[in-house]
Amino acid sequence: GAGVSQSPSNKVTEKGKDVELRCDPISGHTALYWYRQSLGQGLEFLIYFQGNSAPDKSGLPSDRFSAERTGGSVSTLTIQRTQQEDSAVYLCASSFGAGAGETQYFGPGTRLLVL
Amino acid sequence: AQSVTQLDSQVPVFEEAPVELRCNYSSSVSVYLFWYVQYPNQGLQLLLKYLSGSTLVKGINGFEAEFNKSQTSFHLRKPSVHISDTAEYFCAVSRWNRDDKIIFGKGTRLHILP
Repeated sequence: GAGVSQSPSNKVTEKGKDVELRCDPISGHTALYWYRQSLGQGLEFLIYFQGNSAPDKSGLPSDRFSAERTGGSVSTLTIQRTQQEDSAVYLCASSFGAGAGETQYFGPGTRLLVL
Repeated sequence: AQSVTQLDSQVPVFEEAPVELRCNYSSSVSVYLFWYVQYPNQGLQLLLKYLSGSTLVKGINGFEAEFNKSQTSFHLRKPSVHISDTAEYFCAVSRWNRDDKIIFGKGTRLHILP
């Protein structure tokens, strides 16, 4: 497909388990972003990649959160020892470059529920 | 650091009436400004953006926004709304000419009343 894809679309897990969320950006897009969307909280920036490196990890809420990107393409966001407050929609976006004026193209999100 | 404030969390409007969604930003440097829209059960998509030049920016679906530097605002307007405009609207800002993240506001939910 031509757009950003994310998997799984929904994930239910038990508190304390680890989860991996996947993002496939648009082909040729060098920048990739992860956001968290909670009810009434807008979009919370987590991390962004330029190529395979992450110049800005400032939004990761704790050391339980990590992300990697390989081959300048697919990215995985990992949450270890999940907590109930991690429940949210996790959005991925990509853009052609990381320039400040670039349009970001968003995936449909992964809805995470931690019981 | 820059920040974005969307003053209204929800805005109810009658169909075919005009609407304005307010956005104010704070930044010590020049910025780019964006409005994104999220329709029910869909991902976010760009509505319009201001990079430079004319302060009145036209976007998709009949929306427009005006950059006002003195008031640090970027309000979104539409002269006549339709049921299909029901969505959540996010204002966003990024620092000019920097490889940097975009900061989003908390969103405004637009309810169109029949």
